[in-house]
Amino acid sequence: GAGVSQSPRYKVTKRGQDVALRCDPISGHVSLYWYRQALGQGPEFLTYFNYEAQQDKSGLPNDRFSAERPEGSISTLTIQRTEQRDSAMYRCASSALGPTEQFFGPGTRLTVL
Amino acid sequence: KNEVEQSPQNLTAQEGEFITINCSYSVGISALHWLQQHPGGGIVSLFMLSSGKKKHGRLIATINIQEKHSSLHITASHPRDSAVYICAVRSPNTGNQFYFGTGTSLTVIP
Repeated sequence: GAGVSQSPRYKVTKRGQDVALRCDPISGHVSLYWYRQALGQGPEFLTYFNYEAQQDKSGLPNDRFSAERPEGSISTLTIQRTEQRDSAMYRCASSALGPTEQFFGPGTRLTVL
Repeated sequence: KNEVEQSPQNLTAQEGEFITINCSYSVGISALHWLQQHPGGGIVSLFMLSSGKKKHGRLIATINIQEKHSSLHITASHPRDSAVYICAVRSPNTGNQFYFGTGTSLTVIP
């Protein structure tokens, strides 16, 4: 695709529900990153993949958060039993392999009521 | 303590002024990124640096690896430069995790 896309763009859910956020990286990009950004704050690293392999998940806040990229392209970030503190902008980025420029998606604004 | 510190947090400038935003980091890095976040929320990568200096139009980014410091300069600032500028570093010492500064909010007044 022309850029990184994310869906949905906005998600409102009730506390306790599970949500799945999708990221579609730029075609051919090996690396995919997930970030969370609270209002007025810089992004916070969550996890990243090279191909289908999750390289680092140390940024995931707790075991309610998980991510997968089964075929090395589209990735899903899943939050189980959502809590109000999970409300944030969730951003995805992709890049070529290695320390190269990242291209960010538009984000998914998650609101947990 | 944050691994990446930016200064200033907020900056207001008159159109045409030369602007400098600073970034200091405390971890070993493989690369440093400068990002621009527009008022609408979109994030654009401006520069990726591992040494020296890069220039793109009116933007200049420098990095001093020994001092663990980078600067982003904007020459002849314009109101359309108003945005949040974020410094981010990638650290191979911690699994290539990214660390982000909290951003510098720049407002350029006509």
